[in-house]
Amino acid sequence: GENVEQHPSTLSVQEGDSAVIKCTYSDSASNYFPWYKQELGKGPQLIIDIRSNVGEKKDQRIAVTLNKTAKHFSLHITETQPEDSAVYFCAASSGKLIFGQGTELSVKP
Amino acid sequence: DVKVTQSSRYLVKRTGEKVFLECVQDMDHENMFWYRQDPGLGLRLIYFSYDVKMKEKGDIPEGYSVSREKKERFSLILESASTNQTSMYLCATKDGTGDYEQYFGPGTRLTVT
Repeated sequence: GENVEQHPSTLSVQEGDSAVIKCTYSDSASNYFPWYKQELGKGPQLIIDIRSNVGEKKDQRIAVTLNKTAKHFSLHITETQPEDSAVYFCAASSGKLIFGQGTELSVKP
Repeated sequence: DVKVTQSSRYLVKRTGEKVFLECVQDMDHENMFWYRQDPGLGLRLIYFSYDVKMKEKGDIPEGYSVSREKKERFSLILESASTNQTSMYLCATKDGTGDYEQYFGPGTRLTVT
């Protein structure tokens, strides 16, 4: 069945450094790729999404890139801050949303 | 601002008990979802509903059922709770058809002893 693999499972960076989370998907029909951030004690919240007709999208300090040929997409966070500490989930959809396993990001001051 | 509320933040039940998890949304969204979240497994879809009284199985429906009698309310039912159903349960809603943002509730952490 459809599958989304997410790496790394944990990531620790110093404040101000960049963080990159990578995902690969198996369903070549996938055309929607959202990223969710889950803070402690809360439900996941959408932070950025990209559709298959776009290769890159930016929103302030976060950006997502998509390589449809290789079936992988990545989240880039620049100038990380302690409030970026959270669990991040990638997902891919061809009508049904499949989530990755999650990455616990820790930003140390 | 979309608000999705879940009836309990923490719940402890005994093996064999019938368990009801309630989800209520205030934005008139057609679609509602139940996921379970386990470490290393991400979010897995249990059931979803695209209209009142309509339901579809997700990837892991075994041991669960759902009810949607009103548009704003979606209930997850564990007919006979088992220890392997100890997990975080998340409800989500989505407006319309197609791929759009899902709005999540805060989750219910269920422990079955």
